[in-house]
Amino acid sequence: EVQLVESGGGLIQPGGSLRLSCAASGFTVSSNYMSWVRQAPGKGLEWVSIIYSGGSTYYADSVKGRFSISRDNSKNRLYLQMNSLRAEDTAIYYCARAEYSGYDSPFAYWGQGTLVTVSS
Amino acid sequence: SYELTQSPSVSVSPGQTASITCSGDKLGDKYACWYQQKPGQSPVVVIYQDNKRPSGIPERFSGSNSGNTATLTISGTQAMDEADYYCQAWDGSTWMFGGGTKLTVL
Repeated sequence: EVQLVESGGGLIQPGGSLRLSCAASGFTVSSNYMSWVRQAPGKGLEWVSIIYSGGSTYYADSVKGRFSISRDNSKNRLYLQMNSLRAEDTAIYYCARAEYSGYDSPFAYWGQGTLVTVSS
Repeated sequence: SYELTQSPSVSVSPGQTASITCSGDKLGDKYACWYQQKPGQSPVVVIYQDNKRPSGIPERFSGSNSGNTATLTISGTQAMDEADYYCQAWDGSTWMFGGGTKLTVL
């Protein structure tokens, strides 16, 4: 069974850094397209970043240069390093896995999310 | 950057057909998928590749995509279908979501 469990969220001051972690089970992270999607309180879904099975990474313009996605194959984990955090980064951050490795693939598997609050 | 536009809300009576649209420049040239999200839950994909249903999704959910508009259709809408619905498409290097549509079953 595919499972994704996020951790690492919390309250952080503006300008601070935080690293989110997503523990995967039931599949191999490095063989799949893995993404982070966020949702601000009461708002819609916003795609944040993706890492392809080949290792290429892409980011939304809103986080480019501040966030970095990575994976640890030995731990079967996905990460999101978030630097220079702003109030507008406050959101639930979901880890998601594509159904298959293709640009037309939906994100078929989602974690329960971890809340990041950026506030002084 | 590429944008997907959805109406904020749609209302439907139980048993009737609900149509939720998603607009984007030449969206019909891309694949669209749809997610359902209920309060306090993670999103669930209900349609992918424009019109395919994942296993476990009821047949009353269907999709289409042509021109600049993708449409999610729910036939014989049930109270349990009340939720937020998001369209999504890939734009060459980024993955975009629409703003979401709140479906109310009155």
